[in-house]
Amino acid sequence: EAGVVQSPRYKIIEKKQPVAFWCNPISGHNTLYWYLQNLGQGPELLIRYENEEAVDDSQLPKDRFSAERLKGVDSTLKIQPAELGDSAVYLCASSLGDQETQYFGPGTRLLVL
Amino acid sequence: GESVGLHLPTLSVQEGDNSIINCAYSNSASDYFIWYKQESGKGPQFIIDIRSNMDKRQGQRVTVLLNKTVKHLSLQIAATQPGDSAVYFCAENARNQGGKLIFGQGTELSVKP
Repeated sequence: EAGVVQSPRYKIIEKKQPVAFWCNPISGHNTLYWYLQNLGQGPELLIRYENEEAVDDSQLPKDRFSAERLKGVDSTLKIQPAELGDSAVYLCASSLGDQETQYFGPGTRLLVL
Repeated sequence: GESVGLHLPTLSVQEGDNSIINCAYSNSASDYFIWYKQESGKGPQFIIDIRSNMDKRQGQRVTVLLNKTVKHLSLQIAATQPGDSAVYFCAENARNQGGKLIFGQGTELSVKP
């Protein structure tokens, strides 16, 4: 069974530029999560989807971050414009439902110069 | 606020020895706990989980112990191998938080051959 797929794996951009990350969850997983992981720290939740509905986006900085999961499968996380402090690893995870095991993708490593 | 933390940021063990990684949590409503392993450049990998109605759960070479009285979680790795070298995170979830995982800071396990 294929795991969570993310792309790109690495991204280097200049500040104020836009950037987008893509995630394909494990087949059949209705719940999808985007996490932010800073160096040396544990992941922090940005947004959680149940199918196509964002059920928890309280930690998403909505002035510059946006996300969508239009058909309840793939998801895109966007930052516009990016700031230096956005340099981090952006992880996508999926699960069958809430309080079920979350499986993580490899992450996208973003560097903002 | 609620938090999950690890007692030791680094742990160095000899190959073949047993490893014990500890974690403290503060949310008494947490009822689901997970251990993840994260190797450099990769996303967190699920190791083992435990729900609050259990005190102990065993997997292949790993055992998780939960002490709800003192809000303590531990991961035991038997016969530690060089391939076990990684950062280990505990994470907790409370049913009233849906699927939101709260991660600890992480413990780096180093296995000496």
